[in-house]
Amino acid sequence: DAGITQSPRHKVTETGTPVTLRCHQTENHRYMYWYRQDPGHGLRLIHYSYGVKDTDKGEVSDGYSVSRSKTEDFLLTLESATSSQTSVYFCATAGGTDTQYFGPGTRLTVL
Amino acid sequence: KNEVEQSPQNLTAQEGEFITINCSYSVGISALHWLQQHPGGGIVSLFMLSSGKKKHGRLIATINIQEKHSSLHITASHPRDSAVYICAAYGGTASKLTFGTGTRLQVTL
Repeated sequence: DAGITQSPRHKVTETGTPVTLRCHQTENHRYMYWYRQDPGHGLRLIHYSYGVKDTDKGEVSDGYSVSRSKTEDFLLTLESATSSQTSVYFCATAGGTDTQYFGPGTRLTVL
Repeated sequence: KNEVEQSPQNLTAQEGEFITINCSYSVGISALHWLQQHPGGGIVSLFMLSSGKKKHGRLIATINIQEKHSSLHITASHPRDSAVYICAAYGGTASKLTFGTGTRLQVTL
């Protein structure tokens, strides 16, 4: 398995507060992704990165921003958290046109 | 309408049964992935296939590109196979995947 860690693993926050989730990989994979997983929707792409400082939006990017200043780190920021952003967030990486490797997930609750 | 559809959504089987989970997609793909997610657990990739069939232990995945359909079979099912199985279509752009909503499988003794 690719070495992918996510932090924090669990977080409870209040509406309106900023939140940053971190994804760290040790495999030197080019591509990194942030997904959210909600009942009835499956995994949905929030943002992805195809290299350092190269990012693009996914299908559910509103309210989220990302940054990738190093190959190994991909940060997801909720500038002002809302209850609709309560979800489980997964980071994934891929070296190229092959399988994606997933992190353990972060459970975020916005009260 | 989702671009990737799975059926059934939920499946209960007794230990030893042969299980089939189906995946149909409407997007053009270059490969299809099958993933497994245990309750409260992470997501692991089982197969990536672009044609024909692949086998790993008791798991078999097939794909028919012309019919835009893939199946995941589990032979001699076991309670430890209980998980959510997810298919995902790979379209080739930045390795992005389009996911189905998953099939929840429970295998009982």
